[in-house]
Amino acid sequence: AQKITQTQPGMFVQEKEAVTLDCTYDTSDPSYGLFWYKQPSSGEMIFLIYQGSYDQQNATEGRYSLNFQKARKSANLVISASQLGDSAMYFCAMREDRPYSGNTGKLIFGQGTTLQVKP
Amino acid sequence: DVKVTQSSRYLVKRTGEKVFLECVQDMDHENMFWYRQDPGLGLRLIYFSYDVKMKEKGDIPEGYSVSREKKERFSLILESASTNQTSMYLCATVRVGGLHYGYTFGSGTRLTVV
Repeated sequence: AQKITQTQPGMFVQEKEAVTLDCTYDTSDPSYGLFWYKQPSSGEMIFLIYQGSYDQQNATEGRYSLNFQKARKSANLVISASQLGDSAMYFCAMREDRPYSGNTGKLIFGQGTTLQVKP
Repeated sequence: DVKVTQSSRYLVKRTGEKVFLECVQDMDHENMFWYRQDPGLGLRLIYFSYDVKMKEKGDIPEGYSVSREKKERFSLILESASTNQTSMYLCATVRVGGLHYGYTFGSGTRLTVV
């Protein structure tokens, strides 16, 4: 069965430093997508970055990059130059792609990591 | 931009009440999802729907049902609310052809059952 694991319940980082949030996944399907979402204290879920299982390069979006290690089944989020506004909960999620049996778009989520940025 | 609206931000209900959580989207997305979010457990899928009147159980459907009579509206129903259903409930939508970009979420409903 597919599974997402985030082993860091909470993390601290100094402002302007880089931080890595860990995510490992388990799936037997060759085709899948990996996502990171940010949830500030307001509760909204904000899409950050996406990596497809067949993408050759690591995804990047501004200060966010996804360190995709396919053989290790890890998809760590790297935030460079942390800002106070980065303090939030971060969720890793996976979508299995089944083009022959019908994609539902369903995501499974990890437990989340709370990041606090210190001034 | 796609807008996903959940009818209530905060809700307090009594044990045994029938509770309706509403989710409305304005961009004609086929697939809609209901999750609950609990500390340390992340988001867990309750039910999803891929078309009008079509639904499938997620990982934790017990104690819940859903209704999708119109494409834009997906309702989550707690048949007889219990205190262990106190949680944050999140609705999400996705366009089948736009799977690359993941979900669009509503702002969430924090439900307290007393």
